[in-house]
Amino acid sequence: SYVLTQPPSVSVAPGQTARITCGGNNIGSKSVHWYQQKPGQAPVLVVYDDSDRPSGIPERFSGSNSGNTATLTISRVEAGDEADYYCQVWDSSSWVFGGGTKLTVL
Amino acid sequence: EVQLVESGGGVVQPGGSLRLSCAASGFTFDDYAMHWVRQAPGKGLEWVSLISGDGGSTYYADSVKGRFTISRDNSKNSLYLQMNSLRTEDTALYYCAKQIQLWLGVWGQGTLVTVSS
Repeated sequence: SYVLTQPPSVSVAPGQTARITCGGNNIGSKSVHWYQQKPGQAPVLVVYDDSDRPSGIPERFSGSNSGNTATLTISRVEAGDEADYYCQVWDSSSWVFGGGTKLTVL
Repeated sequence: EVQLVESGGGVVQPGGSLRLSCAASGFTFDDYAMHWVRQAPGKGLEWVSLISGDGGSTYYADSVKGRFTISRDNSKNSLYLQMNSLRTEDTALYYCAKQIQLWLGVWGQGTLVTVSS
């Protein structure tokens, strides 16, 4: 089965740029989607199809995908961005999530 | 407004059964495939099951195959998850979610299932 690997944690100071990676075998050939989950809340889609943003998601959230790594980039990080982030792909009739990355805003 | 509301969670003994429900509103229910995704306490998201819009196709994670059954009643705008032979490792918050193309565009707030003796 397909495996997505994320770093357990990423820390960044307010106003800086956070980059959260999602590794998978030839993930660049797949569409990657990203979800934000704040404590006690349901996940929310923040990026779909590698780099598109749903309506209502700030432009500070962007994504890229190439080779074996997809990346969620959050520019000008704010305290409110502190959350868990999950990548997701579809593979062979199965939906796969990464293990999640906890973003800490210092 | 698109809304998904799960119900049916609770405490059950190992080996027991439980049926979860998800009531959908604000969109044409039978136009969309629907999913169940779970999250064990303090852990990440785990995809559980998927059903097509017409209910004709279903898919399951290996961890629940043969024990869980997903179904839907489009006349009632409702999604279900019948869970049998429950194990302690099935303890989790269970979310229903609406599929849009290859991602999950809308999630409910979840219903908690606890499997414990």
